[in-house]
Amino acid sequence: QKEVEQNSGPLSVPEGAIASLNCTYSDRGSQSFFWYRQYSGKSPELIMFIYSNGDKEDGRFTAQLNKASQYVSLLIRDSQPSDSATYLCAATTGGFKTIFGAGTRLFVKA
Amino acid sequence: GAVVSQHPSWVICKSGTSVKIECRSLDFQATTMFWYRQFPKQSLMLMATSNEGSKATYEQGVEKDKFLINHASLTLSTLTVTSAHPEDSSFYICSANEGNIQYFGAGTRLSVL
Repeated sequence: QKEVEQNSGPLSVPEGAIASLNCTYSDRGSQSFFWYRQYSGKSPELIMFIYSNGDKEDGRFTAQLNKASQYVSLLIRDSQPSDSATYLCAATTGGFKTIFGAGTRLFVKA
Repeated sequence: GAVVSQHPSWVICKSGTSVKIECRSLDFQATTMFWYRQFPKQSLMLMATSNEGSKATYEQGVEKDKFLINHASLTLSTLTVTSAHPEDSSFYICSANEGNIQYFGAGTRLSVL
C-alpha cells in the first residue's frame, strides 16, 4: 500500500513565525511532490510542487525534498492568520496516480 | 495554473432522487479526471478515476452502480449519484491533471434530505 503520511496537527504558531509542515512517503518510485492548501469548506488549491532534491522557494513558501529519506517539507515564513488551513502533501508516481496525505491543520495565532 | 470548473457548487435533494455533478477542464484537455469525496473534518477519499472514452476505475468499496461516471469528451466528466440517501451527503470534488499536476474543481456540497 503506497502511503503518504502527515502529522494531523493541529500545528499552532504565532503570527510572524515560521511554520514547518512535514510529510513522508513510502513509494520510492514517487517522482513528483505537491503541497496543497485547503481552507475549511473549500477544495484544495496548489501551493507548490517539487521534483528534485533540495529546496524550492516561492515567496513565503519553501518546499524541501529529500528522496533518500523519502521526506518532503513545506516551510511558511512570516506566517499570517490567513495561512490557517489544512495542508495536504501529495506524491505522484510515474503514472498519473496521486496519493494524498490526510493533511496537517495549521493554526496561526494573531 | 489550469482551471477546472465544477457545477453545481451546492445541491439539496430529496432522498431517492438522482443528482448529476459536472466537471470541466476549461483551458486544457483531460483524458483523466478524478472524483473525490470528503466528509467533515476528514481527508480526501478518492472514489474513482474517470477515463475519457472508457469505463471509470472505481476504488475499493465504492459502488459503481450508485456513482455513475461518464467521461464522454476530453473536457467533461460527470458524476451521477443515483437514488441518493442522507448518508451520501458530503462534499464531492473533481480534479484533472494537466501534465502531472492535479488541479481541483471548487467542489459540490450535496445535502440529501
